[in-house]
Amino acid sequence: EIVLTQSPATLSLSPGERATLSCRASQSVSSYLAWFQQKPGQAPRLLIYDASNRATGIPARFSGSGSGTDFTLTISSLEPEDFAVYYCQHRSNWPITFGPGTTVDIK
Amino acid sequence: EVQLLESGGGLVQPGESLRLSCAASGFFFTTYDMTWVRQAPGKGLEWVSTISAGGSSTYYADSVKGRFTVSRDNSKNTVYLQMNSLRAEDTAVYYCAKVSSRSYYDYWGQGTLVTVSS
Repeated sequence: EIVLTQSPATLSLSPGERATLSCRASQSVSSYLAWFQQKPGQAPRLLIYDASNRATGIPARFSGSGSGTDFTLTISSLEPEDFAVYYCQHRSNWPITFGPGTTVDIK
Repeated sequence: EVQLLESGGGLVQPGESLRLSCAASGFFFTTYDMTWVRQAPGKGLEWVSTISAGGSSTYYADSVKGRFTVSRDNSKNTVYLQMNSLRAEDTAVYYCAKVSSRSYYDYWGQGTLVTVSS
């Protein structure tokens, strides 16, 4: 099973600041990595797939990069609606696994 | 507009069974894999099971293998999760999600809560 580790666990930032979230895989997942955003009481929303492709309707301030074992989600300038939990997920092989999440909260 | 509506959650005792349903609309259901993901209260996301578009292939997390069965009825645009021998650790919100052509979970339902407690 591929284990995904996310850092930091919590990121405290102000609106307008840049957020950089990390996801590390225990073995290579090639580029088969996605990022999700989840707000309290809501279902997850797909942001990024194949490491760097924005999903439909996702604003350009969200970008993803990386391949192999190290990945980054960047939010270039935080909007009030971006404060949420972010999960990475691989689809390289079975079982599919998610990272434990990074909470982006308001400083 | 893609819509996924889960139902069937509730409170059950350990060892009992429950069947979840997920009714889909707004896309060609028969051409997409479907998946179930769960989230225990206050915890992260856990993949549970995936079924192929035609229903011939199914995949399970080790934590549910042998107890849960995923199926689909393409004539009703519905996917099911039969959960047997439920345990306290199965308590979670269960989401169904559509699997995109790139094998990512691009649309999610709002979830249904399953509580296993005596």
